[in-house]
Amino acid sequence: QAVVTQEPSLTVSPGGTVTLTCGSSTGAVTGRHYAYWFQQKPGHAPRTLIYDTSIKHSWTPARFSASLLGGKAALTLSGAQPEDEAEYYCLLSYSGARVFGGGTKLTVL
Amino acid sequence: EVQLVESGGGLVKPGESLRLSCAASRFSFNNAWMSWVRQAPGKGLEWVGRFKSGTAEYGAPVKGRFTISGDDSKNTLYLQMSSLKTEDTAIYYCAAIDNGNDYWGQGTLVTVSS
Repeated sequence: QAVVTQEPSLTVSPGGTVTLTCGSSTGAVTGRHYAYWFQQKPGHAPRTLIYDTSIKHSWTPARFSASLLGGKAALTLSGAQPEDEAEYYCLLSYSGARVFGGGTKLTVL
Repeated sequence: EVQLVESGGGLVKPGESLRLSCAASRFSFNNAWMSWVRQAPGKGLEWVGRFKSGTAEYGAPVKGRFTISGDDSKNTLYLQMSSLKTEDTAIYYCAAIDNGNDYWGQGTLVTVSS
């Protein structure tokens, strides 16, 4: 099974910008991996922020954007808010299966 | 409002079997991918598998031990888990996350312990 890697933790200042990345052990992440990004807060089920690499849900704040960057999937938060402090997970698709990354704990401090 | 409600979790011994159910209301999963995602206590998310119209896909840690099926008439998704291991201990979520959907159940806890 492929291994999907994320930064274990990142810190961003309120109002600041941070980029979370999602890499694949099989090589460059492409549009064919249909990357998802989920946000999870303690005690709650995850919620999808981004699907199919860069498509936002209606509830996804405009300050979040996603793309492919340097062979990885990337989630950029511009103008961080205290409520963005959470765990973020990416999910990549491989033929016949999907794999989550280990998650990034984002601290807004 | 769409609701996904999981049931069937509990405490089982290693090697035993357990079946989870996910009842959907105000959402028809006929022709929709439905997923199972699990989360061990204090750990990250793990993709278990997904099912649509008789086709199932599985994550490597559960392939060959778990079976996902669905009953369209009952709008219910199932996860049959066999040969359970202690590392299968987790909250199991039912979710619809494909095609622009984002619906999750509240999760059901499965504990595998002797």
